[in-house]
Amino acid sequence: AQKITQTQPGMFVQEKEAVTLDCTYDTSDPSYGLFWYKQPSSGEMIFLIYQGSYDQQNATEGRYSLNFQKARKSANLVISASQLGDSAMYFCAMREARVLTDSWGKLQFGAGTQVVVTP
Amino acid sequence: DVKVTQSSRYLVKRTGEKVFLECVQDMDHENMFWYRQDPGLGLRLIYFSYDVKMKEKGDIPEGYSVSREKKERFSLILESASTNQTSMYLCASSSTSGQFRDTQYFGPGTRLTVL
Repeated sequence: AQKITQTQPGMFVQEKEAVTLDCTYDTSDPSYGLFWYKQPSSGEMIFLIYQGSYDQQNATEGRYSLNFQKARKSANLVISASQLGDSAMYFCAMREARVLTDSWGKLQFGAGTQVVVTP
Repeated sequence: DVKVTQSSRYLVKRTGEKVFLECVQDMDHENMFWYRQDPGLGLRLIYFSYDVKMKEKGDIPEGYSVSREKKERFSLILESASTNQTSMYLCASSSTSGQFRDTQYFGPGTRLTVL
């Protein structure tokens, strides 16, 4: 079963506007972590932001923020003031509790959302 | 800064050849991972290692093997390359402790073409 769902295959956004990328997840573990990665056309996966399931506040990192709604099992990425360099594929990922699932730090990735920033 | 390097950005091999993809990380991370990425299929985990000489199969281990003789180095081996192994291969590493526990840091990727 799909554990991470990214429903938006692609989107266009104008420079300087904010964009929200959707991510929903499925887990029964009480302890888990959520990650967002950016993959430009060059291919390298770049870590952007992390949210732990017990974190009280939404994570922020520069222009990136994570809108964490635990009850709805959603972890949307918000990019403020988009720049041309933000054009990339964005992946949401989840790590479940190591003890319960013996996951050894494995991440489950979503299918990704392609973002194109236009001038 | 965490640095993960991969031996080649682009590689072209012939069917039947033995192929070695090397990955090195400089952050003393315990965990290392090999993925392949194909259009429409996302990232798929091939193998991972949580310690030196330890390895676990991922979702698609068939046709691949791995080696981890030193903590910083994790090698992916295609024993007899086939055309369906043409793909982008990504290596990652992560720590089991600290603020960024389990955050995976990726190398630049290797685009492998098997002819």
